[in-house]
Amino acid sequence: KAGVTQTPRYLIKTRGQQVTLSCSPISGHRSVSWYQQTPGQGLQFLFEYFSETQRNKGNFPGRFSGRQFSNSRSEMNVSTLELGDSALYLCASSLKPGQGLTDTQYFGPGTRLTVL
Amino acid sequence: AQSVTQLDSHVSVSEGTPVLLRCNYSSSYSPSLFWYVQHPNKGLQLLLKYTSAATLVKGINGFEAEFKKSETSFHLTKPSAHMSDAAEYFCVVSDGGTGNQFYFGTGTSLTVIP
Repeated sequence: KAGVTQTPRYLIKTRGQQVTLSCSPISGHRSVSWYQQTPGQGLQFLFEYFSETQRNKGNFPGRFSGRQFSNSRSEMNVSTLELGDSALYLCASSLKPGQGLTDTQYFGPGTRLTVL
Repeated sequence: AQSVTQLDSHVSVSEGTPVLLRCNYSSSYSPSLFWYVQHPNKGLQLLLKYTSAATLVKGINGFEAEFKKSETSFHLTKPSAHMSDAAEYFCVVSDGGTGNQFYFGTGTSLTVIP
C-alpha cells in the first residue's frame, strides 16, 4: 500500500507570493493533518480535516488555510508569504477520526518551502 | 491540556551500548503515546505506540518503551545502539478528545559514536 505522498517536495517562493501544497493520504484513510516544522519552533499543528471538514485548527494566522476533497486528498495554502514561513510542511493521514480514540498518524516526506 | 517534555535535547551513545531517551507527558485524559523517528531530510516514521493495552510496548528496530502512569513517563529504550539509529526522535501525546490532534515534544537528537 502506498504511503502518504506530498507534492512538491521542494519549493522556493518570494515574500508576498502565495503557495499551495498537496497531500495524498494512504488509501482508505479519511483524516489528514498538517504540521509545520522549523528549527526554532519544532513541530506545530496547523489543522486537521476529516470528510472535507476542518475539525481542528492550531494557532496560526488566517494566511494559512486548507481544504480536503471528496477523495480525502488535501491541500494547504499560504498567502502573502513571509520569511518566517520557511519550513518543512508535513502531512499525516489516519484511518478514522479521534472521537475519543486516538488513531496512528502516518507521515509523508514533507514539502520543504523556502521563502526568499 | 496535553503536553510532552523530552528531557534531553541531545544524547550521545557509543555503538553497541544502550539507548535511553526520556519523555514525560501531561494529559487530562487517558493518553495515547507515540514515539516517532526522523532521519535527516525525511518525514516521520512511527516507532511504537501505547494505547492503554500492555504498558511495555515493543516497536520496530529493537526499540521499546514503558508507560508509567505514576511517573507520567514514556521513556524509549534500546539495548544496543546501531549507527543507523542516529536521528531525531519525537515523543507525542494525544488524547483523542478533540479530534486526532498530536502534541509533539521538542525532539531528542541521538548521535551514535562508532
